[in-house]
Amino acid sequence: QQQVKQSPQSLIVQKGGISIINCAYENTAFDYFPWYQQFPGKGPALLIAIRPDVSEKKEGRFTISFNKSAKQFSLHIMDSQPGDSATYFCAASKYGQNFVFGPGTRLSVLP
Amino acid sequence: DADVTQTPRNRITKTGKRIMLECSQTKGHDRMYWYRQDPGLGLQLIYYSFDVKDINKGEISDGYSVSRQAQAKFSLSLESAIPNQTALYFCATSDDCGLAGHKNEQFFGPGTRLTVL
Repeated sequence: QQQVKQSPQSLIVQKGGISIINCAYENTAFDYFPWYQQFPGKGPALLIAIRPDVSEKKEGRFTISFNKSAKQFSLHIMDSQPGDSATYFCAASKYGQNFVFGPGTRLSVLP
Repeated sequence: DADVTQTPRNRITKTGKRIMLECSQTKGHDRMYWYRQDPGLGLQLIYYSFDVKDINKGEISDGYSVSRQAQAKFSLSLESAIPNQTALYFCATSDDCGLAGHKNEQFFGPGTRLTVL
């Protein structure tokens, strides 16, 4: 119930392409869904987050799509750039409680 | 200066040795966390503390202990290190997650790479 599944494990995209990473959760009490971005040698940092009262949130080239009935959410990176190459973690939490992180997706954007 | 610092950044030790990883923060947050990162497993919570007098076990606390010396300091100890504790360790902080007017965000340190031989 506490697990967050994430796919794919790794992703290779050409520069300018669209990167899509998917996550699924079981606990319907979760009410906050962030994505964290981690560059090599660095700690993860918040990229974008969504709450279940909306189905989509966009910040620049990054969009979260949220499907409450399917208990799934995804990260879309439009016009992917080599600088986007990093590991991406989805997570979920219930109000005031700790995060449950997905296993991560390593994204490589080829120049 | 970094808001969340971790020392050491890299450490190699031997089986059976005691080791301490330290975390300091200047963000003024009450909540602090220790995570372990292994390839393909994401971030697993070891211990967390919501204030100086509060310590809680996470999902993988066996073999680890923590001390919250002050609001700004949270250390993780391995009393007798073993090879399967070889991993990347992260400290993180947050304010009161999810309360009105607060962004539910955790701020991570740069990590400590620990190798147990």
